[in-house]
Amino acid sequence: RKEVEQDPGPFNVPEGATVAFNCTYSNSASQSFFWYRQDCRKEPKLLMSVYSSGNEDGRFTAQLNRASQYISLLIRDSKLSDSATYLCVVDPPQDFNKFYFGSGTKLNVKP
Amino acid sequence: DTAVSQTPKYLVTQMGNDKSIKCEQNLGHDTMYWYKQDSKKFLKIMFSYNNKELIINETVPNRFSPKSPDKAHLNLHINSLELGDSAVYFCASSQDWTSGGQETQYFGPGTRLLVL
Repeated sequence: RKEVEQDPGPFNVPEGATVAFNCTYSNSASQSFFWYRQDCRKEPKLLMSVYSSGNEDGRFTAQLNRASQYISLLIRDSKLSDSATYLCVVDPPQDFNKFYFGSGTKLNVKP
Repeated sequence: DTAVSQTPKYLVTQMGNDKSIKCEQNLGHDTMYWYKQDSKKFLKIMFSYNNKELIINETVPNRFSPKSPDKAHLNLHINSLELGDSAVYFCASSQDWTSGGQETQYFGPGTRLLVL
């Protein structure tokens, strides 16, 4: 079983839509979680960290569900510029500074 | 100013050749990484250095040899290149979280390696 799994998509949504992605992780002791964004042929960039209590940054909301071992990313009022691949990242406790990346969920926001 | 830079950006070479990729970060970070992203977009860690010391060495063929001359630089040398080495190689850096730093990783622009 992979450490981090994501639905590859693509998710095709119209501008203004609300879209949500989930990501499951296998190590129940994991403590740190992140969402990264990767544009086509570019490097990944941190979108937001995911805290136990959930966190919100503008149109983006990230949540953690420890019981079911998944994290989620909700994007409200989608913009064309949100089109990208969203990578789920988990930092397991037993491996110092070792990050496991999901293979990403592709989002296409259409006019 | 580019925070994490890599050279070259593109690398096309023949099987069997030896090549190097260089990475530099000007963020003052203690930890640097090499990742490989294959055609399925799966980003997998290869190596990590903390203050010039190797701390993560994944199951990578020993044809791959990292070298960190100082904590701002992490280079990757690949011997006897194979077709399966074709991928995008990303360098990244982060502050050492054990000293109170952040775990955020900053990535370089990537080196697109094509082995013919």
